[in-house]
Amino acid sequence: SQQGEEDPQALSIQEGENATMNCSYKTSINNLQWYRQNSGRGLVHLILIRSNEREKHSGRLRVTLDTSKKSSSLLITASRAADTASYFCATDADNAGNMLTFGGGTRLMVKP
Amino acid sequence: ETGVTQTPRHLVMGMTNKKSLKCEQHLGHNAMYWYKQSAKKPLELMFVYNFKEQTENNSVPSRFSPECPNSSHLFLHLHTLQPEDSALYLCASSQGVPRGEKLFFGSGTQLSVL
Repeated sequence: SQQGEEDPQALSIQEGENATMNCSYKTSINNLQWYRQNSGRGLVHLILIRSNEREKHSGRLRVTLDTSKKSSSLLITASRAADTASYFCATDADNAGNMLTFGGGTRLMVKP
Repeated sequence: ETGVTQTPRHLVMGMTNKKSLKCEQHLGHNAMYWYKQSAKKPLELMFVYNFKEQTENNSVPSRFSPECPNSSHLFLHLHTLQPEDSALYLCASSQGVPRGEKLFFGSGTQLSVL
């Protein structure tokens, strides 16, 4: 079954605005990762947050993790048209042999 | 460039054909993976190899046959596929079998089965 589920499934914003995507998961995890995928291409790793961390930053990206709510959010600040892509969370769950399980993704469109 | 190269980028095949997908990683990693990405479905893990040994086979039909001759190369042999097998097939690598490690993906092979 799907471990991580992203919300919303699709998001459309104007350039310069912030974009927030959420990920919920079902079982306890060791870490959570966010990936980005441009249309028809491979996934690119963005950021990893461990279960004992609450917040992490990388450039314009900010990731939070709330293990009590089993949820994470990815915030992209000052979005650019080049941020248009699909964003996936992936969890490294104790009950999945520590294999990464991906969610269905959020399709982000940033309009110039 | 992620250091993981997949060929071909696009493949069209009939249901009776036999073809192979190739993946090569230049990162010195020990683990390699095949994922399937279908439209409107989450990424599905198919196979995992760690130090050339298959450690995961996620109930994949036998018409998909993986081969890992060394830690840098991974193949997916395809035969008698079905139209529902049309998808983007992604190869990935990591330092080891993930215990909190990130994956490096290739650009994928877009497969169409007619």
